Amino acid sequence: EAGVAQSPRYKIIEKRQSVAFWCNPISGHATLYWYQQILGQGPKLLIQFQNNGVVDDSQLPKDRFSAERLKGVDSTLKIQPAKLEDSAVYLCASSGIESEAFFGQGTRLTVV
Amino acid sequence: DQQVKQNSPSLSVQEGRISILNCDYTNSMFDYFLWYKKYPAEGPTFLISISSIKDKNEDGRFTVFLNKSAKHLSLHIVPSQPGDSAVYFCAASEGRGGGADGLTFGKGTHLIIQP
Repeated sequence: EAGVAQSPRYKIIEKRQSVAFWCNPISGHATLYWYQQILGQGPKLLIQFQNNGVVDDSQLPKDRFSAERLKGVDSTLKIQPAKLEDSAVYLCASSGIESEAFFGQGTRLTVV
Repeated sequence: DQQVKQNSPSLSVQEGRISILNCDYTNSMFDYFLWYKKYPAEGPTFLISISSIKDKNEDGRFTVFLNKSAKHLSLHIVPSQPGDSAVYFCAASEGRGGGADGLTFGKGTHLIIQP
C-alpha cells in the first residue's frame, strides 16, 4: 500500500514570496490533515478535510494560509505572503474510517 | 497553553533495559491517546494507541498505560533496542482519531538507546 505522498521535500523562499505544497493521501482515505511542525515543537493541526469539505480550520492563519481539496483526493496548502516564522516542516496526513492517521515525509520550508 | 505535555525533552537508556516515556494532558475531553515515533527527515509513524475506556494496551515490546484521574499516560518499551532511538510524540484527540478530530501533540521526547 502506497503511503502519503508529499512534494516538494524542501523549499527555500524569501519572505513575502508565495509557496505551495502538494499532498496525495493514501487511496480511499476520506480524511486529510495538514500539520505545521516548528523546530523543537510537536506538530500543530492547521486544517482537516473530510472528503472535499473542511472539518476544522480553527488554527489556520487565514490571512496568509489557504488550503483546498477540490476533488476529495489530493490537496494543496498555500502560503502567501510568507513570513520568517512560517519556517517549519509541513506534514500531510490521512486516515480512513476507524484508522489512525498516517503521515507523509513532510515538506521542509525555510523562509529567508 | 499546552494541552499535551511531555516534560522530558530527552531520555537516555541502556540497551536491554526498560524505557519509560511520560505524558500529561490537561483537556478532560480527550478520550483517545496515541504514541508516534519519528526518525530524522521522516514523518511520524503510528506506534500504539489507547482509548479512555482502557487503562492498558500492549503490543509486543510496547505497552501504554493510562491514568485518567491523574491525566497521565506512559509508554513502556521492554527491552529497549538500538532501533528504538527516535523522537516519541504523545498525541490526543477528542474523537477516535481516525476520521474524527485532529490530533494535539506534545513536544516530543528524544529517546537515546545506548549500547
